[in-house]
Amino acid sequence: AQKITQTQPGMFVQEKEAVTLDCTYDTSDQSYGLFWYKQPSSGEMIFLIYQGSYDEQNATEGRYSLNFQKARKSANLVISASHLGDSAMYFCAMREGPGAGSYQLTFGKGTKLSVIP
Amino acid sequence: DAGVIQSPRHEVTEMGQEVTLRCKPISGHDYLFWYRQTMMRGLELLIYFNNNVPIDDSGMPEDRFSAKMPNASFSTLKIQPSEPRDSAVYFCASSLMSSTDTQYFGPGTRLTVL
Repeated sequence: AQKITQTQPGMFVQEKEAVTLDCTYDTSDQSYGLFWYKQPSSGEMIFLIYQGSYDEQNATEGRYSLNFQKARKSANLVISASHLGDSAMYFCAMREGPGAGSYQLTFGKGTKLSVIP
Repeated sequence: DAGVIQSPRHEVTEMGQEVTLRCKPISGHDYLFWYRQTMMRGLELLIYFNNNVPIDDSGMPEDRFSAKMPNASFSTLKIQPSEPRDSAVYFCASSLMSSTDTQYFGPGTRLTVL
C-alpha cells in the first residue's frame, strides 16, 4: 500500500484564488512528520512547510498552510492568493518516527499545479 | 548561507562509462541523502549518511552504484558502468538532527546515459 497518496495529478487555479492540494498518508506510528515540497520547472526541490503529528495547531508559513486532520490521516496544503510563480509540482512527504534522526522520508507522486492568469 | 551544492548540473555520457556526481551539504548538517527522481518511480531514497557514515543503502539499485562521504563537506555518488536506465535526476539533500529533520535539497544533477 502506498504510504503517501496524492490523488490529484494536475490542478488549475485562477490567479489570486486559493487552492487546496490533497495528501493522505498511511502509518501505524504515533510520532511522524509531514512535509510539503515545491518543484518548479527549473527542477529544484524547495521545502515549504512541516507538520508534526503531535502539533496541535495547523502549520502556517506565509501563504502556505497545512490542513492537518489526524483522524482522517490527511495533510492538505492550502495556498492562499495564488500567483503565477506558484505553478509547479508539489510533493507531500512523510517521515515515520519521532524525529531527531529518524528516517525514511517517503514521497507521494506529486500534483502539478497550474496558475491561470 | 549557501544551500546544498551539486555538480555537475547536467551530465551526458555513453553507456559503459563511469559517472561521478558530487555534493556539498549545508555546513553543520550531519545527515546527507542521495535521491533519484524518474517519471516512472518518482523520488526514491538511494542512501543516506550520518556523520559521514553510511546508515542505510538499501535503496541503492545494484552494485554498479556506490556512494562515499570522505568528510563532512563532500559526498560522491558513482555509477560504474552506467546504463541508459540510470538516466534520471539525482538529488542530494542534507539535514540537521532535530525534532523536524527537515531535508534541504540541492539543485539536482540531470544524468543522461546514451
